[in-house]
Amino acid sequence: DAKTTQPPSMDCAEGRAANLPCNHSTISGNEYVYWYRQIHSQGPQYIIHGLKNNETNEMASLIITEDRKSSTLILPHATLRDTAVYYCIEKFNNAGNMLTFGGGTRLMVKP
Amino acid sequence: GAVVSQHPSRVICKSGTSVKIECRSLDFQATTMFWYRQFPKQSLMLMATSNEGSKATYEQGVEKDKFLINHASLTLSTLTVTSAHPEDSSFYICSASGPPQETQYFGPGTRLLVL
Repeated sequence: DAKTTQPPSMDCAEGRAANLPCNHSTISGNEYVYWYRQIHSQGPQYIIHGLKNNETNEMASLIITEDRKSSTLILPHATLRDTAVYYCIEKFNNAGNMLTFGGGTRLMVKP
Repeated sequence: GAVVSQHPSRVICKSGTSVKIECRSLDFQATTMFWYRQFPKQSLMLMATSNEGSKATYEQGVEKDKFLINHASLTLSTLTVTSAHPEDSSFYICSASGPPQETQYFGPGTRLLVL
């Protein structure tokens, strides 16, 4: 079973920041927080991951709380193409470690 | 970088036939590849994990004799659905990972329809 909890759905206005929360209160010290998204009928797309420091790349920013029990994925300027299901997943960074997908958050970006 | 391809993107076959799906890592060496299945309106479910040159590890409930996985090189894994039945119709997705980060990158998926 997935060990993270996410709201099932969220709406965001086009051009505004989308803030997607994730709770991972049982995360262990060596587990990373990974974010993927799946646009309809496509394979999941890697977005970003982090251990304890905040991370930023060309797609998004990841803010991890100091106690590491929750995190927020931020899409700074959401577009209609960001409409997707977003998955927050805990994973060790060892070879062969699997991803366990939960229900994710269905983000709908509206004009 | 980190591109994973799958072929074919969709396939329709008759019940009882076998279907082979290829997964390739195009710009990195994938020491581990994963195969997932996704039914409509559901999340991805891991079927099996394969390491290059060794036998795949199957998740509970996945028949290894029905879903044959071969990971013969660091850039190619294949999934063969043997004696396919309509209930095997699904979206099959592979992912690949390699050192040093072990981040999994996913292929675009293969939609299988068994008539």
